[in-house]
Amino acid sequence: QKEVEQNSGPLSVPEGAIASLNCTYSDRGSQSFFWYRQYSGKSPELIMFIYSNGDKEDGRFTAQLNKASQYVSLLIRDSQPSDSATYLCAVSNTGNQFYFGTGTSLTVIP
Amino acid sequence: ETGVTQSPTHLIKTRGQQVTLRCSSQSGHNTVSWYQQALGQGPQFIFQYYREEENGRGNFPPRFSGLQFPNYSSELNVNALELDDSALYLCASSEGGGAVKTQYFGPGTRLLVL
Repeated sequence: QKEVEQNSGPLSVPEGAIASLNCTYSDRGSQSFFWYRQYSGKSPELIMFIYSNGDKEDGRFTAQLNKASQYVSLLIRDSQPSDSATYLCAVSNTGNQFYFGTGTSLTVIP
Repeated sequence: ETGVTQSPTHLIKTRGQQVTLRCSSQSGHNTVSWYQQALGQGPQFIFQYYREEENGRGNFPPRFSGLQFPNYSSELNVNALELDDSALYLCASSEGGGAVKTQYFGPGTRLLVL
């Protein structure tokens, strides 16, 4: 059973603050890790992916991966009200099949 | 917009009926994956099609079946609908083969079973 765990939240941060979203996974064979954002009533949209241990930055977003600890996180700097959404962590194995967590609900307070 | 389209957008069926959902993949993508997302949950993997062949299946019963066509579009069929089948059905397309490829989602079909 491949499990992906996320704190369901809700997580509330003030506008301009850093939001930190966390995800753990059970399958040590997982190779690729993705963060998707999902607005209410919409489909998931890709924010970024990470394959290697360490940090990967893309604009206001930074993904962090620690395979030894089976942990991946997403930092959102200078959070904006438009960042309010559910953030889904997805993990993929060699079969190219994605396993999702239940998502973390983020609210950015103006 | 990802270039992945799905139809219909919404659907209401009654228990025991059958439904077919359709997905057109993004240009250049030969792999389609289907997911079921219940309210408040993350997407659950149903199955994946790569070059018209099933390439993996999640923990869903055989009444969930699919097809992929030569143009890489795909269908998800669900027979003998149950109330718990009410969910958002998402398809995602990606390039196939080799290393893991990013999946891009369509807008989804919201199915309600009464």
